[in-house]
Amino acid sequence: RKEVEQDPGPFNVPEGATVAFNCTYSNSASQSFFWYRQDCRKEPKLLMSVYSSGNEDGRFTAQLNRASQYISLLIRDSKLSDSATYLCVVMNTGRRALTFGSGTRLQVQP
Amino acid sequence: ETGVTQSPTHLIKTRGQQVTLRCSSQSGHNTVSWYQQALGQGPQFIFQYYREEENGRGNFPPRFSGLQFPNYSSELNVNALELDDSALYLCASSLALAGNTGELFFGEGSRLTVL
Repeated sequence: RKEVEQDPGPFNVPEGATVAFNCTYSNSASQSFFWYRQDCRKEPKLLMSVYSSGNEDGRFTAQLNRASQYISLLIRDSKLSDSATYLCVVMNTGRRALTFGSGTRLQVQP
Repeated sequence: ETGVTQSPTHLIKTRGQQVTLRCSSQSGHNTVSWYQQALGQGPQFIFQYYREEENGRGNFPPRFSGLQFPNYSSELNVNALELDDSALYLCASSLALAGNTGELFFGEGSRLTVL
C-alpha cells in the first residue's frame, strides 16, 4: 500500500466550477501536510500547507482529518490557469524527506 | 523562478552506463534533496545532503550516490543504469533540515532516458 494515496483523475471541470480532491495517508506518525502543484513538464511548487483547523488561501481551502488520516483540497471558481497536477504531500517528524502522492490531474475547460 | 538550476536538462544513456547530474541550490540554502519522478508518479525521495554530509536516504540502491560541495551545490551519480532509471530527476533546496516548513524549492529537473 502506498503511503499517500490519491485519485489520479483526470478531473475535467468547466470554468467557474468547484472541485475537491481527496488524499489518504497511511502513516499515523505523519506530522505535517501540504499540497503541491505541478504544471505539465515543470517542477512541483508548494501550493499551501494543511492544518487541522483547516486553512484557506483565496479560492483554495485545505482540510485535515487526523482521525481518518484524510486530507482534502477544495478549489472554488476554477480558472483555466488552475489546470495542473495536484500532489498531496506528508512529512514525518524525524524523517528527512517529503512523501508525495502520485497526484491528481485537473483540467479546467472553457 | 526558484533559483535552483539543474544540468543537463535532458540526456540519453544506455543500460550499464553511468550518469552524473548536477544541481546548484538557491542562494543561502544549505540543504539539498534529490527526488526521482517516474512518468505518472509523484516524486520519490532518493537522499538529502546537509553541510556536505548525507542526511537521510530513501529506498534506493547504493548505485545511487551523491555529493554536496562547500558551496552547497550537489551531484547525483547513478551507476550501472537500468531501464527503470528512466525518469525526471529533481533537485530541491531548502534552508532547514527537510525544509521544516515543508517548502522545497525544486529545479526544473534532468530528464534521463535509459535505452
